Amino acid sequence: QSALTQAASVSGSLGQSISISCSGTSSDIGGHDYVSWYQQHPGKAPKLMIYEVTNRPSGVSGRFSGSKSGNTASLTISGLQAEDEADYFCSSYSSSGIPHVIFGGGTRLTVL
Amino acid sequence: QLQVQESGPGLAKPSETLSLTCTVSGGSINTRGFHWGWLRQSPGRGLEWIGSISYSGNTHNNPSLNSRVTVSADMSKNHFFLKLRSATAADTATYFCARHATSDFWSGFDPWGQGTLVTVSS
Repeated sequence: QSALTQAASVSGSLGQSISISCSGTSSDIGGHDYVSWYQQHPGKAPKLMIYEVTNRPSGVSGRFSGSKSGNTASLTISGLQAEDEADYFCSSYSSSGIPHVIFGGGTRLTVL
Repeated sequence: QLQVQESGPGLAKPSETLSLTCTVSGGSINTRGFHWGWLRQSPGRGLEWIGSISYSGNTHNNPSLNSRVTVSADMSKNHFFLKLRSATAADTATYFCARHATSDFWSGFDPWGQGTLVTVSS
């Protein structure tokens, strides 16, 4: 199984907006609307930030938004805050072979 | 508020079975429409979905691990379990249990337990 592709790191200044991208294939991101995004602080469990490409769970700040174009999904964080500094992982349903869930390698966000 | 918590040995021997329990509180695992899963994370393999069980008892596993994985549940105790057979050093990871975010199996996972580190070593 191929993992989804994410940049290893991204940075942005306080108050800025940044986007984190996640590349896949037509068997996963491009073919289905089951992209989710997770935030993980060091030593903590992942926290769901976006599900089904664009949906925010209750309690997640409106500064977080998700989108998809072709085989690439994106997570955008607006008005960067210090507490946004964390690792972000994308995930998708994959119909390649037996259906399963796949993850990206993660992007480390640094807030300057 | 729904919470999930992993428990089990922090050490497993190579070739033996790695066994973990997830305790669910604040909700019932046999509530119609919910699914419950196991995932793991390691520096070498990243995040990986292992397998899940539905409120009805149906299971679905990652095909890359399917031959070694059993996910089961004790509905009366509100627990679900992971057994990973023939463990190797490559199975050393932090293991998480989680609820699937919605009644749609593929929507994602929320919430997650805090995770438990399992080391496979003799």
